[in-house]
Formats: sequence, C-alpha cells, structure tokens
Amino acid sequence: DQQVKQNSPSLSVQEGRISILNCDYTNSMFDYFLWYKKYPAEGPTFLISISSIKDKNEDGRFTVFLNKSAKHLSLHIVPSQPGDSAVYFCAAKNNTNAGKSTFGDGTTLTVKP
Amino acid sequence: DAGVTQSPTHLIKTRGQQVTLRCSPKSGHDTVSWYQQALGQGPQFIFQYYEEEERQRGNFPDRFSGHQFPNYSSELNVNALLLGDSALYLCASSLRDRGAKNIQYFGAGTRLSVL
Repeated sequence: DQQVKQNSPSLSVQEGRISILNCDYTNSMFDYFLWYKKYPAEGPTFLISISSIKDKNEDGRFTVFLNKSAKHLSLHIVPSQPGDSAVYFCAAKNNTNAGKSTFGDGTTLTVKP
Repeated sequence: DAGVTQSPTHLIKTRGQQVTLRCSPKSGHDTVSWYQQALGQGPQFIFQYYEEEERQRGNFPDRFSGHQFPNYSSELNVNALLLGDSALYLCASSLRDRGAKNIQYFGAGTRLSVL
C-alpha cells in the first residue's frame, strides 16, 4: 500500500513556462510534506517543505500548495529553467515519527530550452 | 563544510554474502537514517539511529541491521544477501531536535548489485 503517490512518471515543459508536479497521499496522520530534487549520481536534495497548518509556501521560483481535504499537494516552478531538469520526489512525515520520511516514486522533469 | 559521505560508491556481491555500507553525516548532525531505493522507485525507510541506538524502523527484515558510532557515523549491514537487495542505499543525516521539521541531507548513495 503506497501512502505517497506521484502519478506522473515524467513531465516535459518549455523553458520559461510553469512546471506543475503533483503528489497525493493517503495517510491523514502526515503533517509535514517535503519536495526533494535528485540529479543523476547524486543524492536527493531538499527543495521546499510545508506544514499541514499551511496551504502554501513559497521560496523564490518554487511554490508548494497543500490541499488537506483532497490529500493533495503540488509543486509549481515558475519560470522553469533547463537546470531544473531532474527527478522530483514528494515526501511526507508525521511528528511522532519525525525521522521517517515516506517517499513517492518520483517525477522526471525535463525542461527544454 | 563536508556533506554526507558514503562508501563505497559501488559494490558487487553474490547471494548469501554479507555487506557493510558506511556513512559519515554532515558536520554537526547527530542523526542518521538509511533508505533503500530500488530502480524506478522512491527511497524506502530502513531505520534511523541517534545516540548510538536504533530509534525507528521500517518494514525491513532482521537481515538489515545497523550501528552508530560515538562520532555519529553509521554502518548498514545486510546479511544473507538476496537478489532483491540490489538497490541504491542512501544515507541521510539530520538534527534530531527539530522534530518533523528536520531536513534530511542525503549522500550520493552506495549502489549494491547482488548476483
């Protein structure tokens, strides 16, 4: 039973346009959500996070939206740049098991020049 | 400032053998978590160590064990290797006292192939 799902294995966008990556979760105990970016031959790198008490968090070109009722979150990248091409992982955790992150299977983003 | 380092980068073993993977956390971090990432999937939590003890564990059999040393570095041991243990093993370090807000910093991983 996969508790965090990223239903789009891949996404391709044009440079300068918006990239929207989606993530769904099933466990209502999750109260903290994170996005990681992974380049080949490197480990995942933290990108942005959001607490369940918020519905939006913004950091530069990156914005994460959380819809708790739908158990859905999304990552918006505006404007997209070729250097953003990577695998993006959505992850979730709860405060009682803070050391354990549950990851989705990732979405490969390709930004074309 | 050294990030999370893992060794070795690649490893080839045969079924039934035992393997030890090593991790040095980011400077100042006291907590180490291990993840297994199979091809095409996201990382799966194996266990977490702080204060030299296993604190949380995912759904992995007892063949997977670990250790944390006084300098916070950690080892992951896998006994009686199976073909299905072939994966990228990721180590992540963090600061325990931040709770759910602790950000995990990942190493580049060890690629284990079991033949």
